[in-house]
Amino acid sequence: EPEVTQTPSHQVTQMGQEVILRCVPISNHLYFYWYRQILGQKVEFLVSFYNNEISEKSEIFDDQFSVERPDGSNFTLKIRSTKLEDSAMYFCASQDRGNEQFFGPGTRLTVL
Amino acid sequence: GDSVTQMEGPVTLSEEAFLTINCTYTATGYPSLFWYVQYPGEGLQLLLKATKADDKGSNKGFEATYRKETTSFHLEKGSVQVSDSAVYFCALSADTGANSKLTFGKGITLSVRP
Repeated sequence: EPEVTQTPSHQVTQMGQEVILRCVPISNHLYFYWYRQILGQKVEFLVSFYNNEISEKSEIFDDQFSVERPDGSNFTLKIRSTKLEDSAMYFCASQDRGNEQFFGPGTRLTVL
Repeated sequence: GDSVTQMEGPVTLSEEAFLTINCTYTATGYPSLFWYVQYPGEGLQLLLKATKADDKGSNKGFEATYRKETTSFHLEKGSVQVSDSAVYFCALSADTGANSKLTFGKGITLSVRP
């Protein structure tokens, strides 16, 4: 059964460093999302992406964040200069024309 | 804005016990409602959904009914199993189609003892 994959499973970085979180969506899906969950809090929407551009972004998704689908398979989330409060579990999701989003297992980002 | 509120956890039950996990929502319009489940080490998986008032979603013995009058979508199962131990998330989507973000509740951890 096709699934969404994410790498790495855990990323530790120093404050101020850039990180790139990678996702491989299900191959025929068209819509892509990033969500995050800070420990003990709700899963929060960050950004949605369709047809090679951002469809919607939350107020969390400021200029420090960017997304890219560079090669038609990977979908990446870049944080340019990480802050302590960026420590969270980051989930990627993809969707076909139905309304079910398929989620990856997540990347745990720890900013020290 | 839209929001989802879940009962506080964690919840610990014995095998074969009855399960109810409460979920209420606030939204404009007519959202679609979902329950997602996350097993240890895995991503969120759709458990069931309902797209309009009075619809009942069901899967793997779990059920939830979209109640517009009480803005609720409570998850129930008549007899839980150890394999149901997981984190359960209630969520809504403002639109029924694709390209619509999900708004999640906080999630609740269910542990089922043999």
